[in-house]
Amino acid sequence: KQEVTQIPAALSVPEGENLVLNCSFTDSAIYNLQWFRQDPGKGLTSLLLIQSSQREQTSGRLNASLDKSSGRSTLYIAASQPGDSATYLCAVLTDSWGKLQFGAGTQVVVTP
Amino acid sequence: NAGVTQTPKFQVLKTGQSMTLQCAQDMNHNSMYWYRQDPGMGLRLIYYSASEGTTDKGEVPNGYNVSRLNKREFSLRLESAAPSQTSVYFCASSEEDAEAFFGQGTRLTVV
Repeated sequence: KQEVTQIPAALSVPEGENLVLNCSFTDSAIYNLQWFRQDPGKGLTSLLLIQSSQREQTSGRLNASLDKSSGRSTLYIAASQPGDSATYLCAVLTDSWGKLQFGAGTQVVVTP
Repeated sequence: NAGVTQTPKFQVLKTGQSMTLQCAQDMNHNSMYWYRQDPGMGLRLIYYSASEGTTDKGEVPNGYNVSRLNKREFSLRLESAAPSQTSVYFCASSEEDAEAFFGQGTRLTVV
C-alpha cells in the first residue's frame, strides 16, 4: 500500500528565507504528484502538478522536483512571505481513476 | 466559475441521526471524490465515482453511502451518524490524471 510522508510536520522561518518542504512515497509506480496549499478552515488549492515523466515544475516563486526512483519530491518556495503561512500537502496519484494518496502535511509559519 | 461547491459548510448531528452532504462541480469532470480530513492524518478517500452512474469504495467507506446523481453532482450520506465520523469532509473532481479541484469543505460534528 502506498504511504506518503511529509517531514517536518511543522516549520517556522523568518520572512525572506527560502522554504524547503519534503515529501516521500513508498511506491514509485505513480501517475503524478501534486502539491496543495490549505489555509485554516479552507479547502485545498492546487499549487503544482508534476507528471511521472517530469523532473520538475515551476510556477512563480514555487518550484517542485520529483525523483520517482527514490520516492521523493521537494517543494521550494523562494523568498518566503508571511502570506505563505499555510499547511502544504503533497499527494500522489496511484491509479488512472484519479485517486490521490495524501501526506499529513507540513504546517508553515513565516514570521515578519 | 464556481468550481466545486459543497453544502452545508457546517453541521452538528446527534448520534444516530442521518444527513446528506451535497457536492456539485461545473467543470464537466468525469471523476468525483469524497475525502475526510482528520488531525494529523491527512486526507483519506471515502468513495469515488469515475463516471456518471458508477461508484466505488475508497480507503474508509464504512458508515457512508454515495450517489452520483448526474455528471455534476455527487452526494455523501451518513445513515446513522457516530462520533467517529466527526471530521471535515471534502469533495473533489478531476479528469483522470489531471489536476484535482476541491470544495471548501463541510465541518461535521457528531455529539
